[in-house]
Amino acid sequence: AQSVSQHNHHVILSEAASLELGCNYSYGGTVNLFWYVQYPGQHLQLLLKYFSGDPLVKGIKGFEAEFIKSKFSFNLRKPSVQWSDTAEYFCAVNVGNDMRFGAGTRLTVKP
Amino acid sequence: KAGVTQTPRYLIKTRGQQVTLSCSPISGHRSVSWYQQTPGQGLQFLFEYFSETQRNKGNFPGRFSGRQFSNSRSEMNVSTLELGDSALYLCASTTGVNTEAFFGQGTRLTVV
Repeated sequence: AQSVSQHNHHVILSEAASLELGCNYSYGGTVNLFWYVQYPGQHLQLLLKYFSGDPLVKGIKGFEAEFIKSKFSFNLRKPSVQWSDTAEYFCAVNVGNDMRFGAGTRLTVKP
Repeated sequence: KAGVTQTPRYLIKTRGQQVTLSCSPISGHRSVSWYQQTPGQGLQFLFEYFSETQRNKGNFPGRFSGRQFSNSRSEMNVSTLELGDSALYLCASTTGVNTEAFFGQGTRLTVV
């Protein structure tokens, strides 16, 4: 079955630590990939997206993600997290008209 | 440009009742998708409408239904509510072709 998997349910880091959140998908063929963030009490916002071209994409607030086609992965990274990055992060895959999300990873950054 | 608007923001209903949620997409967006968000389950896809036609449907029971109007506004209906239907219901709009989704703030439904 087609699915999007996020490996970590809850990640706790100290400020200035590096972050990597895993995302794997099982769709074949051409996909569009997204990371969304949901800050406490706010609506989902787009962090970054990959449609084609350079597999290393940069988004807002210092986030980046790398698309590795052979691994069906689109991991999110940030070299140094801040307390304000505390949020829930969702990976999403769009195939045609179908956009599916992972279960989300809750990130808690301790000051 | 106004964002995606969902009404109401909060609802409390009793088991067995039915509920209708509304979503107004961004002007010019013709695709509206609905998701159910619950802790630990992430966003579960309900259905997607484009130009008043349902194009995709997730794995939810028939109690969950929707429709889209000619102005692209969409409604979602849940009949015979169950306690497990308590969740945040999110609506997202896109232009319809392989683009990012813009989300509303959601409607938090509590079934008691």
